[in-house]
Amino acid sequence: QSVLTQPPSVSGAPGQRVTISCTGESTNIGAGYDVHWYQQFPGTAPKLIIFTFTNRPLGVPDRFSGSKSGTSASLAISGLQAEDEADYYCQSYDNSLTVFGTGTRVTVL
Amino acid sequence: QVQLVESGGGVVQPGRSLRLSCTASGFTFENFGIHWVRQAPGKGLEWVAVIWYDGSEQSYVESVRGRFTVSRDNSKNTVDLLMNSLRVEDTAIYYCARDSGFYGAGTLDYWGHGNLVTVS
Repeated sequence: QSVLTQPPSVSGAPGQRVTISCTGESTNIGAGYDVHWYQQFPGTAPKLIIFTFTNRPLGVPDRFSGSKSGTSASLAISGLQAEDEADYYCQSYDNSLTVFGTGTRVTVL
Repeated sequence: QVQLVESGGGVVQPGRSLRLSCTASGFTFENFGIHWVRQAPGKGLEWVAVIWYDGSEQSYVESVRGRFTVSRDNSKNTVDLLMNSLRVEDTAIYYCARDSGFYGAGTLDYWGHGNLVTVS
């Protein structure tokens, strides 16, 4: 099982703000390793949406934001839109290996 | 533009071998580490392996160590994943992805479309 734990699902109405947590340990996030976030729609490859905790690649809307606190990181989606309905994964580094979070399904009500 | 294209997937019997390839274009291939990531049907992402920019180092997830081997040919812009002693639980879509740096410790900034491997 993954060493990065995410809630299986979160939901919100259009326009609301939702947050997804990524809880790690002293060997990964707590050790100072970066956290990155990916968005995946069914049947497609993951896409990078946040790198190094808080940075957005070109073209990613600014309603996506990231943060870090201790051994955890969070992804926030403000002004939730129907097109944000997807799976989201955090990723970090642990014992010299890349690791992904367990994944979170975001549902727009 | 950056492109990664996987090939070589298919159906294979347990215990047999299969080789996946990832062909890259649109960037200076020799300057970037390359990862393999898989996703079993209905499941989350699982990191599988990484190879450094120059091919000098490789790392693997525990479940494939000793069975899978990753290699690269910088003259052909390709990375291969040789999968031996395949198990039913290796059934997944396999993605190759570019690391943002040399050593595979960064972010996976570009991904291929994926290639299905079915062990049955």
